[in-house]
Amino acid sequence: NAGVTQTPKFQVLKTGQSMTLQCAQDMNHNSMYWYRQDPGMGLRLIYYSASEGTTDKGEVPNGYNVSRLNKREFSLRLESAAPSQTSVYFCASSGSGGRNEKLFFGSGTQLSVL
Amino acid sequence: AQSVTQLDSHVSVSEGTPVLLRCNYSSSYSPSLFWYVQHPNKGLQLLLKYTSAATLVKGINGFEAEFKKSETSFHLTKPSAHMSDAAEYFCVVTRGNTPLVFGKGTRLSVIA
Repeated sequence: NAGVTQTPKFQVLKTGQSMTLQCAQDMNHNSMYWYRQDPGMGLRLIYYSASEGTTDKGEVPNGYNVSRLNKREFSLRLESAAPSQTSVYFCASSGSGGRNEKLFFGSGTQLSVL
Repeated sequence: AQSVTQLDSHVSVSEGTPVLLRCNYSSSYSPSLFWYVQHPNKGLQLLLKYTSAATLVKGINGFEAEFKKSETSFHLTKPSAHMSDAAEYFCVVTRGNTPLVFGKGTRLSVIA
């Protein structure tokens, strides 16, 4: 099993450019998440999708949009990239998002916005 | 709302000595608590979780954590550090079906 797959692994953007980060899981999980990781800040939740067809804002949603394309795929879009969005982005999934659920993480996307 | 505070941003230990990574939590109701580990340039991996069963939780690679409600703590320990334990460790809290809330992380260095 591949688990959670994120693409691309690295990306450099200029301010104002747009891009979409892709995430797919092959574990038949209901819940999917996008986090960003910044030095000294831990992981902060951007958006999540508790089930197919639903999305909700997390702690830091401004400047991002998401699409739960189907049960497997959950994409994150930056419409107009800003330097403050330079970060490492992680996608994760879990079975039902409940309190006993373990999160499975992708290997991350390192994004630099110049 | 729930939150976690990791009391040390960086901990350095010698190989073979005990490890203690401290975490305090805040939650209105009975929380679920987790420790995740992130090795350099890798994704995160679950070490252990507490979900209101036994208060002493054993995880992978010899790590364990004790849930202390009176102290609102969930510290991570290991009797003897190994070089491969060098990584970033995150304490995490959740309640019910709310998304996980991560602490800011503790970087563990292991000195040979």
